[in-house]
Parts: sequence; structure tokens; C-alpha cells
Amino acid sequence: DTEVTQTPKHLVMGMTNKKSLKCEQHMGHRAMYWYKQKAKKPPELMFVYSYEKLSINESVPSRFSPECPNSSLLNLHLHALQPEDSALYLCASGRGYGYTFGSGTRLTVV
Amino acid sequence: AQKVTQAQTEISVVEKEDVTLDCVYETRDTTYYLFWYKQPPSGELVFLIRRNSFDEQNEISGRYSWNFQKSTSSFNFTITASQVVDSAVYFCALSELGNSGYALNFGKGTSLLVTP
Repeated sequence: DTEVTQTPKHLVMGMTNKKSLKCEQHMGHRAMYWYKQKAKKPPELMFVYSYEKLSINESVPSRFSPECPNSSLLNLHLHALQPEDSALYLCASGRGYGYTFGSGTRLTVV
Repeated sequence: AQKVTQAQTEISVVEKEDVTLDCVYETRDTTYYLFWYKQPPSGELVFLIRRNSFDEQNEISGRYSWNFQKSTSSFNFTITASQVVDSAVYFCALSELGNSGYALNFGKGTSLLVTP
């Protein structure tokens, strides 16, 4: 299995909702990442997990809460988001030898 | 500070023209990796090429070629005989240990439009 699977593909949520994005890989990669991409912008790094531990948090607001339950799974818990958080959220795994990206979750906050 | 600079925001060419997308990077690490990705309107990131800092060989893959020059910290991408299907945003990216633990650091991207 050489894919990173992200669910859901699309999500519309209200500002008071709580939702979670999921990411799964079975390539044995021990580093996993969350990126946020706004329209016409590059992907911006949010979090890095290395060996299931959070190693980098790029000053992301606390309304985004990452979780790595095991080496294959990465979650992003969302709570009290703002409309400006609407974006494509990409998950990736790998290291300098190569990265695999999921197809992303397109999030709309209303 | 911007680690990867793609100075060309948008490029428009007519089909069959050659086009070069520029990428300049900045790093203090001796071991690092450079990548090019294509992002069509559908949104998925399509991997094109990876180069490590110890391999300066240029590469050709069909109509695509890459010129890696450490002396100028550049990793440029040329599409020969462009086609409409090449229309997309192209990102150059750097992976280094530095402060980002080998996370990919993307340039701002170059939007390429190829018209018939």
C-alpha cells in the first residue's frame, strides 16, 4: 500500500461544531505531517509527528488539535473554527527520501 | 525567511513552446533534498522529482528536465514542447533537518498556463 488516505474529502462545518480529519498510511513511515493550503498559496506546515510524538507545532491556534494514536494514523481535531480556516488540509508521510501526500480534505467553515 | 524562492508567479505560453520554471533555495545544511510537485486544479500534489544535495546530475524525463546547480543554489525545471495538460501550479520544495525536522518547505509556486 503506497497511499495516504484522508477522510473526509469534503467537510462543511459551523463555527460551533467539533469535527475531526483523519489520515492513514501503511508504508511504515515514522514521520507524518499536516499542511494547510489556502487558495492560490503553497501548502503551509502545521504539525510534524515523528515516531508518534509531536515534534513541531508551527504556532498553530489551539482550535486545531493534532493526535497520533499509532504509527499509521494521524488525526486533526477541529473545534470553534473561523471562516478564515476554510482551506485544503493535506496530510503527508515520509522523510527526505520521499513523501506521500493524501488528496486532502477541503474544509469550509460557515 | 523564505527558504525557497520561485520568482515567477505566473507564466503563460503557447503550446509547443519551451518553458523554464526557476527555483532558488537557501539552507545551511549539507544534507538536504529538493523536490518539484505539480498541482492541477483538482488539488492533489503530484510528485515530479527528488534530488539530494550530493547528486548534482541533471535529469531528463520525457519532456521534463531539471538543472540542479549547488553553486547558485538553484534547481530549475524545464518543460520542452509544452502541452495544454501541463497547465498547473508547480511548487519547488526543500527538505532539511534545520528547524523543520525534514518537513517539506514549499516555494510560493508558479502558475503555468499553456494555451492552444
